[in-house]
Amino acid sequence: ETGVTQTPRHLVMGMTNKKSLKCEQHLGHNAMYWYKQSAKKPLELMFVYSLEERVENNSVPSRFSPECPNSSHLFLHLHTLQPEDSALYLCASSRGGDLRTDTQYFGPGTRLTVL
Amino acid sequence: GNSVTQMEGPVTLSEEAFLTINCTYTATGYPSLFWYVQYPGEGLQLLLKATKADDKGSNKGFEATYRKETTSFHLEKGSVQVSDSAVYFCALRTTDSWGKLQFGAGTQVVVTP
Repeated sequence: ETGVTQTPRHLVMGMTNKKSLKCEQHLGHNAMYWYKQSAKKPLELMFVYSLEERVENNSVPSRFSPECPNSSHLFLHLHTLQPEDSALYLCASSRGGDLRTDTQYFGPGTRLTVL
Repeated sequence: GNSVTQMEGPVTLSEEAFLTINCTYTATGYPSLFWYVQYPGEGLQLLLKATKADDKGSNKGFEATYRKETTSFHLEKGSVQVSDSAVYFCALRTTDSWGKLQFGAGTQVVVTP
């Protein structure tokens, strides 16, 4: 248990659906992240929020829309996804501060399948 | 740019064997180095880290030493257990790109009884 929870753990959706992934951290951290883990590809950073402000958008298609209403919650809104978006989506949080030594703690992930 | 190279898996070994997973990196600036572990069906867990040259990170019997001269951060464990079967990721972080964690491809380790 890392103090970062994600729901749902598994999600199957059609290409025309709209769904949201939720992440919550109980660590008092100030930064939150979305990563994508696809088969046979290294983990890819998608978005970074620091103090509820987006500070990094790593060339992610607009069909992925993040939201950070407060420092404990992070959402990833999904719409009109493609089958190649099927992956494990991982949320992480960190204290913030020194970017070089700041440690990220990960949730268990949401396994997304797009039909 | 930054990059991390790990040895390819899967690595298969018997219980109580010695484990080494090689990791080398290239980075602009002075990175911190991390090892994460992912057990089947789970997210990533921080295993250990080192933030400066010659630092040794250790946890759960695993060790890794930050070698700046060889740009390496190899993971070792003296006697593995079946419960160590997992995928291990080496990663680095600098102040580039808002401190983005750059991961290696991961190395799957399978420990047999």
